[in-house]
Amino acid sequence: EAGVTQSPTHLIKTRGQQATLRCSPISGHTSVYWYQQALGLGLQFLLWYDEGEERNRGNFPPRFSGRQFPNYSSELNVNALELEDSALYLCASSFDPSQETQYFGPGTRLLVL
Amino acid sequence: AQSVTQLGSHVSVSEGALVLLRCNYSSSVPPYLFWYVQYPNQGLQLLLKYTSAATLVKGINGFEAEFKKSETSFHLTKPSAHMSDAAEYFCAVTLNTGFQKLVFGTGTRLLVSP
Repeated sequence: EAGVTQSPTHLIKTRGQQATLRCSPISGHTSVYWYQQALGLGLQFLLWYDEGEERNRGNFPPRFSGRQFPNYSSELNVNALELEDSALYLCASSFDPSQETQYFGPGTRLLVL
Repeated sequence: AQSVTQLGSHVSVSEGALVLLRCNYSSSVPPYLFWYVQYPNQGLQLLLKYTSAATLVKGINGFEAEFKKSETSFHLTKPSAHMSDAAEYFCAVTLNTGFQKLVFGTGTRLLVSP
């Protein structure tokens, strides 16, 4: 069974640009979660999508947004990039919201110059 | 709100020695607890989880953890460390309320020396 996949593995952008990160959940999983792992800040919850809807978001500004497609894959968009957005962005999926176990992908490392 | 505290940002052991990584949680309702491992430049891999069944939980790679409600702890142990165990370990908590946001501890880096 294929795990959670993310693309690209690395992304380099400059301040003010937009970044788009992609995630494909495990087959059969409907919930997708995004987390940011920034140096010195640890792992922080960003967004949760289920059945195409944004269900909850963490304490991040609106320039962090995303969507979930009918095939349950997801995109994370970060607009007006700032230097402090440099981080590893991890996507996780679960079978449905009632399932407590989240399975993580390898992450996308975003570097903002 | 729930939270997790991991004592010790770095733990060093010798190969073959006992591994003990500490995790204490704070939660107003019965929690679900997890240990994840992160190898360099990789994502998180689930080691084990507690979801209110048996308090002693066995995971992959010989790791286990015991849920102790009286101590609000969920420490991770392994009887004999292997070089391949060197990684960063994260304890996480979520609530069984239908919204499964994981709240992570700050992580403990395990160093294993020959």
